[in-house]
Formats: sequence, C-alpha cells, structure tokens
Amino acid sequence: EAGVTQFPSHSVIEKGQTVTLRCDPISGHDNLYWYRRVMGKEIKFLLHFVKESKQDESGMPNNRFLAERTGGTYSTLKVQPAELEDSGVYFCASSFVGPYPNTEAFFGQGTRLTVV
Amino acid sequence: AQSVTQLDSQVPVFEEAPVELRCNYSSSVSVYLFWYVQYPNQGLQLLLKYLSGSTLVESINGFEAEFNKSQTSFHLRKPSVHISDTAEYFCAVSKISGNTGKLIFGQGTTLQVKP
Repeated sequence: EAGVTQFPSHSVIEKGQTVTLRCDPISGHDNLYWYRRVMGKEIKFLLHFVKESKQDESGMPNNRFLAERTGGTYSTLKVQPAELEDSGVYFCASSFVGPYPNTEAFFGQGTRLTVV
Repeated sequence: AQSVTQLDSQVPVFEEAPVELRCNYSSSVSVYLFWYVQYPNQGLQLLLKYLSGSTLVESINGFEAEFNKSQTSFHLRKPSVHISDTAEYFCAVSKISGNTGKLIFGQGTTLQVKP
C-alpha cells in the first residue's frame, strides 16, 4: 500500500515567485495535515483538513499561504509570493477520522523549500 | 495550549553506549505522548507512544520511554545504541479530549552515534 506521497521533494525558487506543494494521502484517510519545520526549530502545525473542509487552519502563518483539498483527495499548498522566511521542510500527514488510534498520523518524506 | 521542550539539540554518543533523549511538556489538559524518528532522507516515523496504562512503553528496536506525570516528562532511552540509530528524534503531544490527530512537536534532538 502506498504511503503519504509529497512532491516535489526539493524546490528552489526566488523570492517573489510562486510555489505549489502537493500531498497525496494514504487512500481512505479523510484527515490530512500540513506541518512546517523552519531550520533548527520545531515542526509546527499549519492546518488540518477533514475531507475537503478546513477543520483547523490556526497555524497558517499569513495570507500568502493557500491550502486546498479539492474532492477530499490530494491537497496542495501554494505560497504566493514566497519570502525568504518561508524556507523550510513542509510535511504532510494523513490519518483516519475518529478517536485515537484512528487518528494516528502517517507522514510523507517532506518537501524542502528554499527561497533565495 | 500545549508545548514541548526537548532539552538537547544534539547528543553525540559512542556505539554500544546508553543514551537518554529528554522531553518535557506543558499542557493544561491530558495528552497522548509520542516519539517520532526521522532517519536521513526519510520521512517521520512513529517510534513509540504513550496512551494510557503502564507508564513504560517500548519500541521494537530497543528504545523505551517513561511517562512521568509529576515531572511532565517523557524521556527516551536506549541501553546500547547502534550506528543505525543515528537520526533526528522528535517528541510530540496530542490532546486526548476531542482528539483530532493534531500534534505539537518539540524542537528535535539529533542523535549522532559514533563508531
């Protein structure tokens, strides 16, 4: 069974450009989460989808970040325009809905974003 | 709100030596506790978790962690490390009531096992 897939694995863009990250969750997982790790710091929660609905977007840093999950399957995270401080590793995770252990999250390998 | 503090950013240790990676948390509500591991060029993997019951939990590769409620700690230990244990380790919590799967992570500890 395929795990959580993220691509690209690496992206280097110039300040001011737009980048779109994609996450394909494990089939059947209605929960989808985005996290980010800025170098040397903790992995921080960005947002949580249940199917196509945003359940919690309290961690989104500002309105340059737009997350979507059309049809409740894969999700995209767009950064427009990118700033230097957006550099970091973006992780996606997915899980079933319900009480724990249903919500045990499985993580992708991450996308390393570098803004220069 | 919850927060997690991992007291050591890097822990160098020789092969076959014991190791302890420290984790303290703060929360006004009851939480589940986790240790995740990220091996080089791989994603995050769940290493072990404390949900309830016995405060000592073990992983399949010899790590163990003990939940200490009075000290709000969940330190990770291994009596004898291998080169293959070299990785970054993350402590995390998730609130129990109304659990949505959202995780609050610490800053991570890099375990460097030397031959």
